[in-house]
Amino acid sequence: SQTIHQWPATLVQPVGSPLSLECTVEGTSNPNLYWYRQAAGRGLQLLFYSVGIGQISSEVPQNLSASRPQDRQFILSSKKLLLSDSGFYLCAWSVGGAPETQYFGPGTRLLVL
Amino acid sequence: QKEVEQDPGPLSVPEGAIVSLNCTYSNSAFQYFMWYRQYSRKGPELLMYTYSSGNKEDGRFTAQVDKSSKYISLFIRDSQPSDSATYLCAMSAMRIDTGRRALTFGSGTRLQVQP
Repeated sequence: SQTIHQWPATLVQPVGSPLSLECTVEGTSNPNLYWYRQAAGRGLQLLFYSVGIGQISSEVPQNLSASRPQDRQFILSSKKLLLSDSGFYLCAWSVGGAPETQYFGPGTRLLVL
Repeated sequence: QKEVEQDPGPLSVPEGAIVSLNCTYSNSAFQYFMWYRQYSRKGPELLMYTYSSGNKEDGRFTAQVDKSSKYISLFIRDSQPSDSATYLCAMSAMRIDTGRRALTFGSGTRLQVQP
């Protein structure tokens, strides 16, 4: 069966510090991978998606970047965090084709102070 | 206007009640409809998905789609305190700009089942 991991679970970082969040998927090959941010009481905002190694698409301009160095590894990064980067970050995977059902990881709660 | 509208709640019901959660949408290109459950501080988990108009049942959960009205519902029978969570609807359509299928999520309805 497929499993998705995210770490760390919680992170408190000062403004201006760098960020690296990691997501790995087990039990599937060549998944589509996604990074979402969920603000408190709000829906999911798609940040990045990737259909393969080194292939990253950005949905919204922002202070973050993503990389996919391996088939089942997806990394979310920032060089300098802003207060507005605080939120709940979720990684998800799917297989290609309909219905594009996505399966989510446990999430990382980021607080920028 | 948002593509997908969902009442944020909270919706509070007594244990054993039938719960009705709803979403409306404006994009007629949506083809697949999903419901996710999200417990506090956890990632969303897929409950069920449907394709065509009509009902789909899975245990105490029934998903209903009415494409003519652009309206979907999730019914929970015999609700339990363990059903207390945020329920997100999601809809899938092919995007013309990217040529790939993408999900659009509702903002979620918070459900509280009181024992």
